[in-house]
Amino acid sequence: EDQVTQSPEALRLQEGESSSLNCSYTVSGLRGLFWYRQDPGKGPEFLFTLYSAGEEKEKERLKATLTKKESFLHITAPKPEDSATYLCAVQASPTDSWGKLQFGAGTQVVVTP
Amino acid sequence: DAGITQSPRHKVTETGTPVTLRCHQTENHRYMYWYRQDPGHGLRLIHYSYGVKDTDKGEVSDGYSVSRSKTEDFLLTLESATSSQTSVYFCAISLGWEGTEAFFGQGTRLTVV
Repeated sequence: EDQVTQSPEALRLQEGESSSLNCSYTVSGLRGLFWYRQDPGKGPEFLFTLYSAGEEKEKERLKATLTKKESFLHITAPKPEDSATYLCAVQASPTDSWGKLQFGAGTQVVVTP
Repeated sequence: DAGITQSPRHKVTETGTPVTLRCHQTENHRYMYWYRQDPGHGLRLIHYSYGVKDTDKGEVSDGYSVSRSKTEDFLLTLESATSSQTSVYFCAISLGWEGTEAFFGQGTRLTVV
C-alpha cells in the first residue's frame, strides 16, 4: 500500500535558523512528488514538483530535494512569514491515476522573530 | 487562487440532513477532485471527476456522492450528514496528466451537530 510520512509533525524555529523537513514515501512507481504550503484557513498552495531522484528545485528560501525513498524541504534563514504547514504529496502509477494525490499529514512550522 | 470558488465557505448542519457543497472553476481543467482534511490524517480523496458525467470513488467515498453536469461545476453531496463528516472540504483541479500538480480552492468548513 502506498504511504507518505512527514516528520517532524511540528517545528519551531528562530528567525534565521535553517532546518529541513522530511517526507518519506513508499509507492509503486513514482510519477511525481509535490510540496505544498498551507496557511491557516486557506487551501494548499503549490510550491514544487519533483520527478526523479537527484532532482532539486528552489524558490526563495525553500529548496526541495528528492531521493528514491524520501524528499527534503530545506528552509534556509527562515523568516516569520515562512510560518505555515508544509504538505508533501505523491502521485503514483498505475497510469489511470487521473492526477490523484496521496498526502502526508504535514509539518507545522512556526518561525519566531 | 487558480480560479476555483467553493461555496459555502462555512456551514453548520444537523445530523441526518442532506448537504451539498459546490466547486466552480474558471480554468476549464478537465479533472476535478474533492478532498477532506482532518487533524492527523492530512488530505484524503473522496471522489474525483475526469470529465462531464465521468466520476469515480476515492479513498473515503462512503456517505458521499458527486455530480458533474458541466465542466466548470463539481458538486459534493452528503446524503445524510453524520458527525464523522465534520471536516474541512477542499476542491482541487488538475490537467490530470501524470506528474502535473493540482490547484486547490479555499475550502469549506462543515460542522455536523
